[in-house]
Amino acid sequence: GAVVSQHPSRVICKSGTSVKIECRSLDFQATTMFWYRQFPKQSLMLMATSNEGSKATYEQGVEKDKFLINHASLTLSTLTVTSAHPEDSSFYICSAEVVNPYNEQFFGPGTRLTVL
Amino acid sequence: KQEVTQIPAALSVPEGENLVLNCSFTDSAIYNLQWFRQDPGKGLTSLLLIQSSQREQTSGRLNASLDKSSGRSTLYIAASQPGDSATYLCAVNPNFNKFYFGSGTKLNVKP
Repeated sequence: GAVVSQHPSRVICKSGTSVKIECRSLDFQATTMFWYRQFPKQSLMLMATSNEGSKATYEQGVEKDKFLINHASLTLSTLTVTSAHPEDSSFYICSAEVVNPYNEQFFGPGTRLTVL
Repeated sequence: KQEVTQIPAALSVPEGENLVLNCSFTDSAIYNLQWFRQDPGKGLTSLLLIQSSQREQTSGRLNASLDKSSGRSTLYIAASQPGDSATYLCAVNPNFNKFYFGSGTKLNVKP
């Protein structure tokens, strides 16, 4: 199957700093990538849909100025958590969509963000 | 808005047992449904993808069924093994590029 990578896998930062997370499709091109957030023992919550060459579409309640998404190429989307606070600590997972033939999503391994 | 529910939330079975995980969704107008496995602290691994026009999909010891009209899907695991222990998530895709996830079933297979 298609492979999606994320970097870093784990990051610890101080409150007030910004953190960038990369999501790459390694062996395919993805016009659409998705960013999810997962709290402990809970399911995935879709944060935004990232479209190559255009602005991301954010879900209701997600602050677009807080979570900056850039999909600059067909293999790379980045999520920047700006001015991070402890409540932003979470597990962030990206996925990339393979359109043909079935619009299947393939997920990255996730990034554990801890804000002190 | 599509709501996805998974029952049970947790399940513990002895090794070798066959088991069924349930997923229900409120809006039957879906494009496809996907079952995933998530190990602790890890990302998601796709297990099976069922298109709206399909009734079931099989991969090894796994069989997923879909009854779109009733808003239900099941994941059947045959001859369970300790290595099957994980959280299983179902996700519904209503319109090509937006998945709604259930809260998952945490499975523990005891040796």
